[in-house]
Order: sequence, then structure tokens, then C-alpha cells
Amino acid sequence: GENVEQHPSTLSVQEGDSAVIKCTYSDSASNYFPWYKQELGKGPQLIIDIRSNVGEKKDQRIAVTLNKTAKHFSLHITETQPEDSAVYFCAATLNYGQNFVFGPGTRLSVLP
Amino acid sequence: NAGVTQTPKFQVLKTGQSMTLQCAQDMNHEYMSWYRQDPGMGLRLIHYSVGAGITDQGEVPNGYNVSRSTTEDFPLRLLSAAPSQTSVYFCASSYSKGGNGYTFGSGTRLTVV
Repeated sequence: GENVEQHPSTLSVQEGDSAVIKCTYSDSASNYFPWYKQELGKGPQLIIDIRSNVGEKKDQRIAVTLNKTAKHFSLHITETQPEDSAVYFCAATLNYGQNFVFGPGTRLSVLP
Repeated sequence: NAGVTQTPKFQVLKTGQSMTLQCAQDMNHEYMSWYRQDPGMGLRLIHYSVGAGITDQGEVPNGYNVSRSTTEDFPLRLLSAAPSQTSVYFCASSYSKGGNGYTFGSGTRLTVV
């Protein structure tokens, strides 16, 4: 089955700097890759996603890139703000809306 | 819009007790699922359903039971609670083929003593 690895497990950046989180997946048939943000005591919330037929997607300060050949995808956050501090999870699936396999998470701290 | 509603938010059980975690969604999503979240392990799929009357096992199904009698509801039953089931449980739903990602509930924190 699918296996998703995520690095780094923790990341600290200064406010205004960029943050990059990288995930690798094992099944080349995976076709959908969402990213979730989880704040303390809450459920994960979708922040951005990308399908396998697209190489890059951007939404304001957040972008995701996908390299199908290398089987990895990355989350890029620019101009980080303290409210970006949270745990971020990547996921992959073979069936767009079903059975996501999640990475172990990255705890991002944005220092003022 | 309520989205995905989970109850209870917190629960303490004694070893061997049974209980049901409730999940309801009002978005007419076909797909519903249960995940458990443990430190350093991300979210792991317990059971899922692609529609009313259809359920299947995920990665870690042992000790849990589910049913899907309506589109809206997807309860998770712990048959005989064990300390290893101490975790945070999340219910999630989505359109099966929409590529829109999951909508998660706010979670149930379960402690088994």
C-alpha cells in the first residue's frame, strides 16, 4: 500500500521568512495530494491540494509543487506569520476523495 | 452549515467497557471515514464507507466496528476498550470523486484506563 514520509518533523522560522515542508510517497499511481493544517485542539483543515496532472498550484502565500518522477511534493509558505504556527500534514491517495494516507506531520513554529 | 459533527469531545473509559463515537455530516457526502491520531504517527485509517450500507476496513480496524445506515451518520463502536485505544479520533467526509479533500470533525479525545 501507499506510504508517505514527511520532513522535517519540526521547523522553526523567523516571521517573514519562508518555510518548506517536503513529502515523499511510494505508489506512483497516487493522483491527489492535499495538505492540512491542524491547530491545537482542532481537526485538520484543508489548506491546498494538487492533482497528479498539475506540477504547481499557488494560493496567496501558500504553494504546492509536485514532482511525479521523483514521487515527492512540497508545501511552500512565504512571508510567514505567527498564525501560521501549527502542525501540517501531507497526504496521498489513489482515489481522489477516498482513503488518504497521511504523513506523520510537521510542527511549524513562526517566531516573532 | 454544521459540516462534520462529532460527539462526545472527551471520554474516559475503563478497560473492557464499550462505547460509540458519533459522527454526522450535513453536506451529502458519499464518503465517510474514521481516523485515529497518535503522537508521531499522523492519522491512520480505521474504517471507511463509500455510501449507505457499504463499509470497509482501513489500516487499523481491530477492536472497532462501524455501520452506515444513512448517508449522514457513521458511528464508530469500540467493542471492548483497551489502553492501546487511547487516542484522538477524527471523523472525515468527502465527495468520493471530487478531489476536494476531506472535511474533518473536531475530534474525540478518548482515554482508556
